[in-house]
Amino acid sequence: GAVVSQHPSRVICKSGTSVKIECRSLDFQATTMFWYRQFPKQSLMLMATSNEGSKATYEQGVEKDKFLINHASLTLSTLTVTSAHPEDSSFYICSASEHIYEQYFGPGTRLTVT
Amino acid sequence: TQLLEQSPQFLSIQEGENLTVYCNSSSVFSSLQWYRQEPGEGPVLLVTVVTGGEVKKLKRLTFQFGDARKDSSLHITAAQPGDTGLYLCAGAQGGGADGLTFGKGTHLIIQP
Repeated sequence: GAVVSQHPSRVICKSGTSVKIECRSLDFQATTMFWYRQFPKQSLMLMATSNEGSKATYEQGVEKDKFLINHASLTLSTLTVTSAHPEDSSFYICSASEHIYEQYFGPGTRLTVT
Repeated sequence: TQLLEQSPQFLSIQEGENLTVYCNSSSVFSSLQWYRQEPGEGPVLLVTVVTGGEVKKLKRLTFQFGDARKDSSLHITAAQPGDTGLYLCAGAQGGGADGLTFGKGTHLIIQP
């Protein structure tokens, strides 16, 4: 149980375009999902908390208009990177919580902006 | 911002040796998780500790949460090459509704 999937696993896009990343909880419902970003050789940094049916909560320094989050159902959250630039290239990872105190992570999405 | 200081950052030891990884903070956490991450993949949850002083064992891995819930340790006994990987500690201030604060990770290499 507690499986989280992400799609796509890898994406390459041109500068200025937008990219959508999906995060799904496959065998449980998640009222809250989280989006993290991980640059090479670094740890994970929380970007935002995605709440089903309401607006996402963004961490300080994360532009909400650039990283659009939609949590349309209890099993799906999407992250759209708008007007992507090369500095947005990173490993984006989502997580979902089934039980209190535990978070399960997706396999990540490698975004490369050329 | 709550910070988690993880040490050592890099560790390379021989198969069969023991090791301990530390995770320290000046902040109190309601829970602390340990993850293992392989290159190009998401972190995989190893254990969650919630109660101050709690000790959990997972085969050759022993996890401890400090009495004040500000620090934690991961001890591996008789390390094996299969233990090689990136180990991350992460703390939560609240329950499942809070994002995690991650340490910088410990890159562990076990040489055969």
